[in-house]
Parts: sequence; C-alpha cells; structure tokens
Amino acid sequence: GDSVTQMEGPVTLSEEAFLTINCTYTATGYPSLFWYVQYPGEGLQLLLKATKADDKGSNKGFEATYRKETTSFHLEKGSVQVSDSAVYFCALSGSGNTGKLIFGQGTTLQVKP
Amino acid sequence: NAGVTQTPKFQVLKTGQSMTLQCAQDMNHEYMSWYRQDPGMGLRLIHYSVGAGITDQGEVPNGYNVSRSTTEDFPLRLLSAAPSQTSVYFCASKAGGTDTQYFGPGTRLTVL
Repeated sequence: GDSVTQMEGPVTLSEEAFLTINCTYTATGYPSLFWYVQYPGEGLQLLLKATKADDKGSNKGFEATYRKETTSFHLEKGSVQVSDSAVYFCALSGSGNTGKLIFGQGTTLQVKP
Repeated sequence: NAGVTQTPKFQVLKTGQSMTLQCAQDMNHEYMSWYRQDPGMGLRLIHYSVGAGITDQGEVPNGYNVSRSTTEDFPLRLLSAAPSQTSVYFCASKAGGTDTQYFGPGTRLTVL
C-alpha cells in the first residue's frame, strides 16, 4: 500500500542554518504531496503542497519539489529561525477521492539561537 | 468561521469507560476524518466520511465508532476504552474537489 518515509529526528540546527528534511513515498497513481507543520501544543497546519510531478510548493521560505523519478518531496529552507521549531510531517493523498491522508512519522526540528 | 473545532481538549478515562469525542466544522466541507497521533508513528487514520450518512474505516478502526448525521458534525465514540487508546486525536475536514485539509486543535486522551 501507499506509504511515506521521513528522516529520523530530532534535527537540531543553529539559527540561519540550512534545513533539509528528507521525505520519500510509495504510491500507486499520482498522489498530491504535502508538508504539514505542528507547533508545540497546536494542531497541524498545511505548510505547502504539490499536486503533480515537478511542481514546487513554497510558503514562509520553505520549499519542496515533487520528484516522481526519485519518489521524493524533500523540505528545504535556506535560513531557519527559532520560530521554525516544530514537528514537520510529510503526507500524501490516499487513492480515490476520499480525503484520506497518509503521513510519515514526523520530524522534530529544534532551532537554537 | 471557527473552522474545525474539537471538544474536549483533554480527557482522562478509566479502562472500560465509554465516551464521545466531538468534532464540528462550519465550512460546509463534505469530507471529514479522524486521526490518532502517537509518538514515532505520525498520524494514522481511524475513520473517515465522504458525506452525511456515509462513513468508512481507515487504518486503525478497532475500538472506535463514528456516524455522520449532518454535514457539520463527525463524533468519534470509544465504546470501551483501553490503555492502548491513549493518544492525541485530530479531526480534519476538506471540501470536495480540493486537496487542502483543515485540522482541529486535537483532543489529548489518557486511559488509565
């Protein structure tokens, strides 16, 4: 079945460092891909998405490109801030128009001043 | 719009007790779903609904019931709580023909 694999965390970076969080997926068909962010004590918020191969999603300085050839959707940011400390989830839309999402296990990012 | 709301925010149950987690959305979304979040496992789908009167099982449905009598509400029932159901529960909704899901703030449930 469909699945998402994220790099293990936690990831600890200094402020202004470059961030990459790896995400690979297995899916039949052509799913949409998402990154969600969960700040401490809150629910999930959509960070960015891409709906087809070679699309680049971007928001708040974060970017991810839908790579069908490598089945990847890695999250990047050029210069992280302390306020980016959160848990990041990669997800894909399940088969059929059911609204289902399949999530990776989440990666905790801690940014130190 | 309030978006997706969930009550209660926190709940402690004893093994064998039953309860209902409430979820409501005011965006007229067709699709609603329940996920549970456990450390190191991401979010896993419990049940989902593609419209009023229609529900289906997700990845981890055992021990949970749902119903969808209105577009707005999608309650999750725990029939006989077990310690394995200790988790954070999230409700989500989305409009038909779109990709973006909106999540509620979550309910943290502890079963003793």
